[in-house]
Amino acid sequence: AQSVTQLDSQVPVFEEAPVELRCNYSSSVSVYLFWYVQYPNQGLQLLLKYLSGSTLVKGINGFEAEFNKSQTSFHLRKPSVHISDTAEYFCAVSKSNQGGKLIFGQGTELSVKP
Amino acid sequence: DADVTQTPRNRITKTGKRIMLECSQTKGHDRMYWYRQDPGLGLRLIYYSFDVKDINKGEISDGYSVSRQAQAKFSLSLESAIPNQTALYFCATSDVYGLAGSYNEQFFGPGTRLTVL
Repeated sequence: AQSVTQLDSQVPVFEEAPVELRCNYSSSVSVYLFWYVQYPNQGLQLLLKYLSGSTLVKGINGFEAEFNKSQTSFHLRKPSVHISDTAEYFCAVSKSNQGGKLIFGQGTELSVKP
Repeated sequence: DADVTQTPRNRITKTGKRIMLECSQTKGHDRMYWYRQDPGLGLRLIYYSFDVKDINKGEISDGYSVSRQAQAKFSLSLESAIPNQTALYFCATSDVYGLAGSYNEQFFGPGTRLTVL
């Protein structure tokens, strides 16, 4: 069963507008949460991660995400996007009882238009 | 130099051919993974290895095999390629963090684009 759901497959947005990419997960055990970014023709690189502590996590390139345990969500946000943020974004979950394996969502294509 | 390298970067092959994709890493990590990426499906785990003698099947291992030749090398083989194995393949590595390795940040290679005709 799918454990990670990214609610939007494509998100078009204009430059300098705010953006939110949504991610929900299902788990009955503790989880660790990640957002990865894949620029065109490249591998994945880590944007940010939530392991414990503060539920608001800041990452690279001005992105941040908030862990909401009651809503089992980990949405990614940026207050003002740039053309260079055009990429595919993946949410991933690591469950505490699975020895560190990552389960990925389906991905969200962010397209920033001038 | 890149920490995780994959060869080849692109490969076109025919149905029924055997093909090997190679991954090397200089990060010194024990854990290595092979994923495939298909549009709309995200990344799915094919095989993973927690050390040279510990190799495990992922969620979609049918039609694939792997070899962990050394800590730094992890190869993926398609014994008899079929068209629905056309995909982007990624290798990743990770260190061990947390209690019993309960979480890990994975580092990805640039990918191999495989086309099976």
